[in-house]
Amino acid sequence: SQKIEQNSEALNIQEGKTATLTCNYTNYSPAYLQWYRQDPGRGPVFLLLIRENEKEKRKERLKVTFDTTLKQSLFHITASQPADSATYLCALDQSYNTDKLIFGTGTRLQVFP
Amino acid sequence: GAVVSQHPSWVICKSGTSVKIECRSLDFQATTMFWYRQFPKQSLMLMATSNEGSKATYEQGVEKDKFLINHASLTLSTLTVTSAHPEDSSFYICSAILAGVAFGQETQYFGPGTRLLVL
Repeated sequence: SQKIEQNSEALNIQEGKTATLTCNYTNYSPAYLQWYRQDPGRGPVFLLLIRENEKEKRKERLKVTFDTTLKQSLFHITASQPADSATYLCALDQSYNTDKLIFGTGTRLQVFP
Repeated sequence: GAVVSQHPSWVICKSGTSVKIECRSLDFQATTMFWYRQFPKQSLMLMATSNEGSKATYEQGVEKDKFLINHASLTLSTLTVTSAHPEDSSFYICSAILAGVAFGQETQYFGPGTRLLVL
């Protein structure tokens, strides 16, 4: 079965720097990969989706890359702000191109002034 | 954007009682809704897929008789935890997909979650 690995250690960065989070998967290549933001005690909020035939996608200060050879996605937040502090979850289709998702455990990002 | 609500936002109940959680899509119709469970410091785990007008499909290891799902309309799905026990205490989250959207689209919208504590 598919497994997703995200760094369980919190990432602490200074305001204004670029935060880079990693998502690795171990099995089949997904049709798409999604990134979500989750605040404590809240449901996830969709941020970006990148498909298997896309290498990079951007949305405002966010950038996602997808390397199917490395089985890895990188999530970047440029010019980070304290308001970006949250847990960021990576999710893949549970089986190829289904709507069912499998989630990573997330990486906690802390941006300090 | 599309909004999904859940009710209640938190609930405390005694062991052995049943608890119903509602998931509503407020401004769109959803033919498919998903129910997840999240334990502290763990990932969201998909429990079941709820389709309007048909029986829910459950993930492996999820007891369908314990977690009853009803998707009676295009805007409402309910999850009932029957005979709840302390080990059922968790954060339950639903999500909804816009009706008519093809597979693999990014239109899965999550509710705010329901915190269940079983004493």
